[in-house]
Amino acid sequence: DSGVTQTPKHLITATGQRVTLRCSPRSGDLSVYWYQQSLDQGLQFLIQYYNGEERAKGNILERFSAQQFPDLHSELNLSSLELGDSALYFCASSVGAGWGETQYFGPGTRLLVL
Amino acid sequence: AQTVTQSQPEMSVQEAETVTLSCTYDTSESDYYLFWYKQPPSRQMILVIRQEAYKQQNATENRFSVNFQKAAKSFSLKISDSQLGDAAMYFCAWQGGSEKLVFGKGTKLTVNP
Repeated sequence: DSGVTQTPKHLITATGQRVTLRCSPRSGDLSVYWYQQSLDQGLQFLIQYYNGEERAKGNILERFSAQQFPDLHSELNLSSLELGDSALYFCASSVGAGWGETQYFGPGTRLLVL
Repeated sequence: AQTVTQSQPEMSVQEAETVTLSCTYDTSESDYYLFWYKQPPSRQMILVIRQEAYKQQNATENRFSVNFQKAAKSFSLKISDSQLGDAAMYFCAWQGGSEKLVFGKGTKLTVNP
């Protein structure tokens, strides 16, 4: 158990819908990262927050957005869902924002868009 | 752009034997970190080992060790005394100044009893 929690574990929804994925980092960690794992794209970095502020952006679609709240939990919002958004979404956390920080991953949320 | 290549989509090893998983990467940065993550069927991503590029000494964690060749941009993982619980997908990852992890496509390791 990494100490990072993600809810829900599974999510099934329809195209065009909007969903919210939630992540609670390890106690004391200030950075939260979101990754998407799909069969065709592999594991890809989406976005990073540090202490409530957006710090880095990766291959995140405009239909996707995220935020980190004062209690440091983070939410990833996916809207206008398409079949191709079906994937495993991971949240990871680290103590700080500096490079070299080990990232600890949550168990993931499996999203299926029908 | 940085890339990480794992040339072996699948590998197999007999229980108690040793196996080496390959990873190469491409970067123009001189300081960076390299990681191996394990993803068992549960899908949890578990950190196996971490290497700092400025350290010449290869990292080891119990039965897991790496062979880091900076000039060759190679970072292989050696698993000694393989156990059934080592069966998983193994991902090599690179982290530079941007802090995000760049992952390879993974190697599926099967451990035969």
